[in-house]
Amino acid sequence: ETGVTQSPTHLIKTRGQQVTLRCSSQSGHNTVSWYQQALGQGPQFIFQYYREEENGRGNFPPRFSGLQFPNYSSELNVNALELDDSALYLCASSLDRGPSDEQYFGPGTRLTVT
Amino acid sequence: AQSVTQLGSHVSVSEGALVLLRCNYSSSVPPYLFWYVQYPNQGLQLLLKYTSAATLVKGINGFEAEFKKSETSFHLTKPSAHMSDAAEYFCAVSVVASGNTPLVFGKGTRLSVIA
Repeated sequence: ETGVTQSPTHLIKTRGQQVTLRCSSQSGHNTVSWYQQALGQGPQFIFQYYREEENGRGNFPPRFSGLQFPNYSSELNVNALELDDSALYLCASSLDRGPSDEQYFGPGTRLTVT
Repeated sequence: AQSVTQLGSHVSVSEGALVLLRCNYSSSVPPYLFWYVQYPNQGLQLLLKYTSAATLVKGINGFEAEFKKSETSFHLTKPSAHMSDAAEYFCAVSVVASGNTPLVFGKGTRLSVIA
């Protein structure tokens, strides 16, 4: 069984640009969650997808959007990048969306906005 | 709203000494609690989780945590620190909000192990 993978590993973008980050969940996992981890902080919840539909989001503006596909892959899109968007972006997949379901994290994508 | 407070942003112990990382939670409903470890430039790995089955939870790598409702605490311990335990540790609570279940993390505690 393969783990959760993310691409790319690192990314450098300019303020105002758009970026797409990708995640491949574990096979059979219906739920994917995305988190932003700023330097020296704990991860913060961006949004969650369950069976290809957004299932709730945290305190992030609409320029953060996502997609989940039937093949267990997903995307995080960020428009109009700001300097404060520089962070490690983590995706986590889980079998279902219950509160006790273990979330398996990928290694993350390090985004730097200049 | 649920929240987590980790006391101490940095803890330093000698190799072989007891590891104690503190976590207090706030929750209006019975919580699900987790400890994750993050090594440099890596994602998060689950150490253990509390789901109300038992108050003393044993995890991987010799770690354990005890859920104390009266103290709203879920401290992480390990009897004897190893150099490989040096990492960032995060306590998290799982919340139920309109059908989705995000994890709410503390700010983390960096553990250093001194030879």
